[in-house]
Amino acid sequence: GAVVSQHPSRVICKSGTSVKIECRSLDFQATTMFWYRQFPKQSLMLMATSNEGSKATYEQGVEKDKFLINHASLTLSTLTVTSAHPEDSSFYICSAREGGGGQPQHFGDGTRLSIL
Amino acid sequence: QKEVEQNSGPLSVPEGAIASLNCTYSDRGSQSFFWYRQYSGKSPELIMFIYSNGDKEDGRFTAQLNKASQYVSLLIRDSQPSDSATYLCAVNQAGTALIFGKGTTLSVSS
Repeated sequence: GAVVSQHPSRVICKSGTSVKIECRSLDFQATTMFWYRQFPKQSLMLMATSNEGSKATYEQGVEKDKFLINHASLTLSTLTVTSAHPEDSSFYICSAREGGGGQPQHFGDGTRLSIL
Repeated sequence: QKEVEQNSGPLSVPEGAIASLNCTYSDRGSQSFFWYRQYSGKSPELIMFIYSNGDKEDGRFTAQLNKASQYVSLLIRDSQPSDSATYLCAVNQAGTALIFGKGTTLSVSS
């Protein structure tokens, strides 16, 4: 149980392109979903927290107009990197949590984004 | 600022030995404690979670929590080369996002 599916797994595209990443909870309803970014040999950095039907809460330093998050249903959240540039190249990982804050977060397989 | 501290390692143990991974946290209000395993280039995978003081065992893994000392550990018995990975400690209060440590790299040699 507790499977989180993330697509695509890898994206390579030109600078200026917008990229959409999907995160789905397959066998549970995710009250809250989280988006992280991880640079090589660095720790996970929380970008934003999203609750179904509400606006996402962004961490300090994360541009909400650049990283658009939509959590339209209890099983789907999307992250759109708008007008991506090479410095946006990173490993983006979503996670989903069922129920209250004490429950574990389950992670998707991540999306490796490379902007040329 | 809420922090989770881990020794980055690498922690090297021979196959069959016990690996001991440690983590301290700064927020006394933390209520839930998690251990994740992350292989290189992959996303984190939940290993164990613990909420109460004491030990919690699951197969070869034992999580230990001491809230008074703000300390949580993970013991891996009969370590295998496949256990070689980075282990992430994470804590949170109810309703908040997990705060992750930077992880400890474990290397199990055969």
